[in-house]
Amino acid sequence: NAGVTQTPKFQVLKTGQSMTLQCAQDMNHNSMYWYRQDPGMGLRLIYYSASEGTTDKGEVPNGYNVSRLNKREFSLRLESAAPSQTSVYFCASSEPPAGGISGANVLTFGAGSRLTVL
Amino acid sequence: AQSVAQPEDQVNVAEGNPLTVKCTYSVSGNPYLFWYVQYPNRGLQFLLKYITGDNLVKGSYGFEAEFNKSQTSFHLKKPSALVSDSALYFCAVRGPGSARQLTFGSGTQLTVLP
Repeated sequence: NAGVTQTPKFQVLKTGQSMTLQCAQDMNHNSMYWYRQDPGMGLRLIYYSASEGTTDKGEVPNGYNVSRLNKREFSLRLESAAPSQTSVYFCASSEPPAGGISGANVLTFGAGSRLTVL
Repeated sequence: AQSVAQPEDQVNVAEGNPLTVKCTYSVSGNPYLFWYVQYPNRGLQFLLKYITGDNLVKGSYGFEAEFNKSQTSFHLKKPSALVSDSALYFCAVRGPGSARQLTFGSGTQLTVLP
């Protein structure tokens, strides 16, 4: 019962380098999300994908790109990393409860990826 | 725009005492409210939610929360705290409509002292 799996768990980059964070879920959820967590700021939504084939910007999309490769996988790419992107990144997935109210869905989170940009 | 405020960065309580973690929100329309907990080096885990109905909702690990529409609050409570409850707690809100996404508060660090 893996849930949401993120790789890598830790990464150190130099300014200007690129990298991709991988996320996969095995719960057959339609919706997937990327958040970043910074001290004192809670979680902020970077991008989300309501269903396979669609992606939308969240609150803080600048400097990031995403790909919804298939229903299971949702990757986050940093094309040219900056120190301001030092953060902990969380992937999550969700599905509305059966017969439930749209918007009432609960998110299942991965364990996080800690990224440091020097 | 929707927003969440968690006015206390840190809450300390003695084991066995009742605990309260405060949350207020701002949203257009009826809110969907959530509490999540984060243990060290882990992702967030769902605790409970309010969608509609009874203002007092019960969740995992003995936690409950009371929805107060007039005060726009959704405080998290537990009658008797355990040391193992020590963690970072996040309140979150979503407005009505599937296009709205979840907005999280800044988090409250709960420490239960033995």
